[in-house]
Amino acid sequence: DSGVTQTPKHLITATGQRVTLRCSPRSGDLSVYWYQQSLDQGLQFLIQYYNGEERAKGNILERFSAQQFPDLHSELNLSSLELGDSALYFCASSVADRFTEAFFGQGTRLTVV
Amino acid sequence: AQSVTQPDIHITVSEGASLELRCNYSYGATPYLFWYVQSPGQGLQLLLKYFSGDTLVQGIKGFEAEFKRSQSSFNLRKPSVHWSDAAEYFCAVVPRDSGAGSYQLTFGKGTKLSVIP
Repeated sequence: DSGVTQTPKHLITATGQRVTLRCSPRSGDLSVYWYQQSLDQGLQFLIQYYNGEERAKGNILERFSAQQFPDLHSELNLSSLELGDSALYFCASSVADRFTEAFFGQGTRLTVV
Repeated sequence: AQSVTQPDIHITVSEGASLELRCNYSYGATPYLFWYVQSPGQGLQLLLKYFSGDTLVQGIKGFEAEFKRSQSSFNLRKPSVHWSDAAEYFCAVVPRDSGAGSYQLTFGKGTKLSVIP
């Protein structure tokens, strides 16, 4: 158990809908990272938050947004869903400011039908 | 362009045999280097990391990796594979010039390991 909790584990939804994925980082970690894992793109960095503020953006679509709350949990919002958004979405957390290691949650499997 | 390459998409080895998974990177300066493992239905678990110092790094589960600057490589090895090692393995890097607080792992495409009993 990495200490990073993601909910839900599985999500099935229809095209055009909006979903919210939730992540609770390890106790003490201030940074949260979101990654998307798909068969064609592999593991892609989406966005990073550090202590409530957006720190870095990767290949995140405009239909996607995220935020980190004062209690440091994070939510990834995916809207106007398309079939191609079906993927495994991972959250990771780290202490930040020190290059140690990032701990990954078990992911949320999103299926868009 | 900066990249991480894992040349082997799928490798099959017999239980008890040795294993080497390849990883090459293309960055201006040697990045921070990592190996992660993903078991079916599981998240990513860190096996080992290289920041500096000794080029042979020991990790968990009996894995080790060797950093070779001249070859821009960070290959993962295990002397004797167990059936439970069947999983997908990812090499990942963080550029050294990332800003403070930034820790964006860039992953290779992964190598799937199958183990024959």
